[in-house]
Amino acid sequence: EVQLLESGGGLVQPGGSLRLACAASGFIFSNYGMSWVRQAPGKGLEWVSGTGGRGESTYYIESVKGRFTISRDNSKSTLYLQMNSLRPEDTAVYYCAKRGGTELRAFDYWGQGTLVTVSS
Amino acid sequence: EIVLTQSPGTVSLSPGERVTLSCRASQSVSSSNLAWYQQKPGQAPRLLMYGASSRATGISDRFSGSGSGTDFTLSISRLEPEDFAVYYCQHYGSSPMYIFGQGTKLEIK
Repeated sequence: EVQLLESGGGLVQPGGSLRLACAASGFIFSNYGMSWVRQAPGKGLEWVSGTGGRGESTYYIESVKGRFTISRDNSKSTLYLQMNSLRPEDTAVYYCAKRGGTELRAFDYWGQGTLVTVSS
Repeated sequence: EIVLTQSPGTVSLSPGERVTLSCRASQSVSSSNLAWYQQKPGQAPRLLMYGASSRATGISDRFSGSGSGTDFTLSISRLEPEDFAVYYCQHYGSSPMYIFGQGTKLEIK
């Protein structure tokens, strides 16, 4: 059974940092691209960042470039999101999501999410 | 940058009815890159359809997807109480890698 378990969320002041982690199990982690998707309170879904199976390629939305860094440790089946210079508009539930595969260009499994609140 | 516009914003229906939700792209996209998700309050999204018309594992055949170019639809026949949720379409592209529509809320009438 595929499981994705996020951790690391919490309350942080503007300008602060957090590191999110997503522990994966139930599939060969290194074979799949992974992403972080966020959802601000009462709002829709927004893809934030993604990486290929080996972590050699990374992608970001414009608003987090230079502030967020996605990485993965395939030996630990864990995905990370280092978030620096946090802003109030980064407040959201952050989900990690597994890409379905080469032909399934969507997210077939999601974690339960971790809440990040940026506020003074 | 591609924009996905979903309509209607909210739709109110009764169990047993049929609904068709729309997702319109600002430019032509490959149907291979179009997906639909369902999200219930307090839960993570769940993949319903990928490649515009392929059902994800475990998804009821009451759900169907279609479309091409700029216009895509998700239809749900014989609405069940558990179908009332928010539905999002998503496109896989290049920059940004994934785009979501703003969502359609399907509520019980």
